[in-house]
Amino acid sequence: GAGVSQSPSNKVTEKGKDVELRCDPISGHTALYWYRQRLGQGLEFLIYFQGNSAPDKSGLPSDRFSAERTGESVSTLTIQRTQQEDSAVYLCASSFRWGQLNTEAFFGQGTRLTVV
Amino acid sequence: AQSVAQPEDQVNVAEGNPLTVKCTYSVSGNPYLFWYVQYPNRGLQFLLKYITGDNLVKGSYGFEAEFNKSQTSFHLKKPSALVSDSALYFCAVRDERQNFVFGPGTRLSVLP
Repeated sequence: GAGVSQSPSNKVTEKGKDVELRCDPISGHTALYWYRQRLGQGLEFLIYFQGNSAPDKSGLPSDRFSAERTGESVSTLTIQRTQQEDSAVYLCASSFRWGQLNTEAFFGQGTRLTVV
Repeated sequence: AQSVAQPEDQVNVAEGNPLTVKCTYSVSGNPYLFWYVQYPNRGLQFLLKYITGDNLVKGSYGFEAEFNKSQTSFHLKKPSALVSDSALYFCAVRDERQNFVFGPGTRLSVLP
């Protein structure tokens, strides 16, 4: 597609359940980022993938959070044993590797996660 | 480590007046700076970027930003604000690991 696609757009889950959030980056973008945004707040960095390099996981808040990316394509963010404080919008972005044109990040519309 | 500060949580301006949203940064090496806007219930949209060259950068929707190396600032500006400019604005820097570091955001309200 033309932009970054995230699914689902909304997810309501019960406390303690696992959830998977999906991100389809723009074709050709080697870098992929996940952020969390709580209501009315700024962006909280979670994880960053760059090509085949080891991902930067320094922003993951706990071991309940994990993410995978296959090559330079789709990424999945998994939250295990969800808690109410996990409720937020999860934003995915992608960009070209530094040194290429259009090095800004392009964002998806986000997945709104509500844990009840 | 790279960091971005947006000293104002909220900026209010009357429609038709000029607006400024402030951003200061801390980087090692050359700064690569970006502004994004977020409308309610939407993802972030890219407005403009500074990579190198002219200190005044022009972007989307009539916005521009002025890079000031000595003051380590990258303030977002618009000569005449519109009510539709009301949104959340984020400044960001791309660091040496090619990650994006975002400021906390500034909420702009343009009053009719």
